[in-house]
Amino acid sequence: EAQVTQNPRYLITVTGKKLTVTCSQNMNHEYMSWYRQDPGLGLRQIYYSMNVEVTDKGDVPEGYKVSRKEKRNFPLILESPSPNQTSLYFCASSLGSPYTGELFFGEGSRLTVL
Amino acid sequence: GDSVTQMEGPVTLSEEAFLTINCTYTATGYPSLFWYVQYPGEGLQLLLKATKADDKGSNKGFEATYRKETTSFHLEKGSVQVSDSAVYFCALMIYRGAGNMLTFGGGTRLMVKP
Repeated sequence: EAQVTQNPRYLITVTGKKLTVTCSQNMNHEYMSWYRQDPGLGLRQIYYSMNVEVTDKGDVPEGYKVSRKEKRNFPLILESPSPNQTSLYFCASSLGSPYTGELFFGEGSRLTVL
Repeated sequence: GDSVTQMEGPVTLSEEAFLTINCTYTATGYPSLFWYVQYPGEGLQLLLKATKADDKGSNKGFEATYRKETTSFHLEKGSVQVSDSAVYFCALMIYRGAGNMLTFGGGTRLMVKP
C-alpha cells in the first residue's frame, strides 16, 4: 500500500530535549516536505527536499533541521524544542517532476512541548 | 506574496443540504488551485484541482471552478452527507523553478448533521 509513515504519532516532551520525528514514504517520490498545522493558520511549510541531499527552507524553518540521506526518509529534527513548537506536524511527498501540487500526506504527529 | 483566504468555520449543515465554501486567492502569476480534505485523525488528501482559468475540478460530488476574474475557487456540493464532515483546505501553487510550494488557506471545518 502506498503510504507516508510518520513516527511518533503523539509526543509530549520538555523544553530543550532534542527530538526527531521520522518520515518514510514507499512511493519512490523525489519530493518530500514538512508542514506544521496550527489553528487558524492552515498549513505552513517548514522545509522541503527535491531529492537526496537537496533540502531548502520553507516559510517557517526556524528551530528545525532536516536531512535527506535516502530517497525514502526525511526526518524532522528539533534540536532544542520550545513551547511555540507545540503543533501538529505533517510530512508529505510527491513526484518531483512535474510539480503537480498533488501531495500525499502522512497521518500527522502531534507534538507538545512543556 | 501569495495567499489564500477561506471562509471561517465551522459550517454546520443538515444532511442533503447544499454546500458552498468560499476561497479567494492573491498570487503573482498564474497559479494552479487545489482543494484538500482532512478527515478526523488523518492527513490531508487531494480532493480536486484546476490548473487554468475556467477549468472545473470535480470529485466525489464536489466541484470547484477556477475564476480568474474574481480570483476565486469556491467549493460546492449539491447534497452533503454526514461522511463529508471534515476540514477543507484551499491551496494554490505557482511553479517558480526552484521547487514548488503549496500555499494553504486556514481551513474550513464542515459539520454535517443527520
